[in-house]
Amino acid sequence: SQQGEEDPQALSIQEGENATMNCSYKTSINNLQWYRQNSGRGLVHLILIRSNEREKHSGRLRVTLDTSKKSSSLLITASRAADTASYFCATDTYSGAGSYQLTFGKGTKLSVIP
Amino acid sequence: NAGVTQTPKFQVLKTGQSMTLQCAQDMNHEYMSWYRQDPGMGLRLIHYSVGAGITDQGEVPNGYNVSRSTTEDFPLRLLSAAPSQTSVYFCASSPGQGAFGYEQYFGPGTRLTVT
Repeated sequence: SQQGEEDPQALSIQEGENATMNCSYKTSINNLQWYRQNSGRGLVHLILIRSNEREKHSGRLRVTLDTSKKSSSLLITASRAADTASYFCATDTYSGAGSYQLTFGKGTKLSVIP
Repeated sequence: NAGVTQTPKFQVLKTGQSMTLQCAQDMNHEYMSWYRQDPGMGLRLIHYSVGAGITDQGEVPNGYNVSRSTTEDFPLRLLSAAPSQTSVYFCASSPGQGAFGYEQYFGPGTRLTVT
């Protein structure tokens, strides 16, 4: 079952604008990750934020986490055409017997128009 | 390092045929997993392994079999292919798994069509 749900499903912006994607999840988490997938390729890890962190930066990426609202957002500043991709959030879900599984949302498809 | 490699890149099967999707990693990662990606569904976990000799089921294990005889390799077997198994399959590895959280490294994927 899907733990994280991204919003919006699709986003189209002009180059240079900022892009914001949101992720909501249902149960308590220990950490949340964001991944990027270019068309026809595998997923690439962008950033991991732990449940005791509220904000994290990596280059033009800014991730926030609000555990009280069970939500996270990914902000890409000064977007470029090369940022065109699908973006997924993923959460570690406890599956029993000391084992965890990474559960992905359905993704946000970002198009950056040159 | 080659990272995570998958073969083949593309495959067409007839209903009822069996095949093995290969996955290998050269990062000495203990944790490996298989996902399938269908349009509008995101990624769903099929099977995973926390180390050589140890495997477990994910969210959608039916129709698939795995084994982990070495740290490097984690093949996925389709026992009797069905059209519902038409999908893109991704293998991933990470240094560990657990509450602490670990980055996963993905392979390029295998696009499978079952007719």
